[in-house]
Amino acid sequence: SQTIHQWPATLVQPVGSPLSLECTVEGTSNPNLYWYRQAAGRGLQLLFYSVGIGQISSEVPQNLSASRPQDRQFILSSKKLLLSDSGFYLCAWSGEEGQPQHFGDGTRLSIL
Amino acid sequence: GNSVTQMEGPVTLSEEAFLTINCTYTATGYPSLFWYVQYPGEGLQLLLKATKADDKGSNKGFEATYRKETTSFHLEKGSVQVSDSAVYFCALSNYGGSQGNLIFGKGTKLSVKP
Repeated sequence: SQTIHQWPATLVQPVGSPLSLECTVEGTSNPNLYWYRQAAGRGLQLLFYSVGIGQISSEVPQNLSASRPQDRQFILSSKKLLLSDSGFYLCAWSGEEGQPQHFGDGTRLSIL
Repeated sequence: GNSVTQMEGPVTLSEEAFLTINCTYTATGYPSLFWYVQYPGEGLQLLLKATKADDKGSNKGFEATYRKETTSFHLEKGSVQVSDSAVYFCALSNYGGSQGNLIFGKGTKLSVKP
């Protein structure tokens, strides 16, 4: 069966520090991969999605970036965090287009 | 473009009350429709889905029927429990769209009181 792992579960970082969140999927190949941000009390905002290694689409301009160095690995990064980057970050994968997305447990990021 | 609109919360109910969370959509073609649930502090879980008109998705006592004529996919449960307290998201598949393959509503927070 397929599983998705996302870490760390919680992270507290100072303003201006770098960020690296990692997400890996097991039990499937060539998944579509997604990064979402969920601000407190708000809905999901799609940040990035990827349909293959090295293929990243960005949905909103920001100081975050994403990379997919391996088929089932998706990394969210920042060189210098801002206060506004605080939130709950969710990674997800899906198979064929139109199929459900399956979510990781999320990373709660707090910027001080 | 494709979009999802769901009723704003929060919704507060007493245990064993009837639940309806409205969801309507705008889409070209024939999208699949989904309801996801997010329990406090956790990621999203697929609750149910429907892939074509008149399909009824069901799971854990929740139901939703794909109504093409009203472009709706309302979530219902006959008797809610405290453990159903969560945020519920309606979503549709966005075939070929630039936003990945799902578009989500903004979520509806449900609180069930004993």
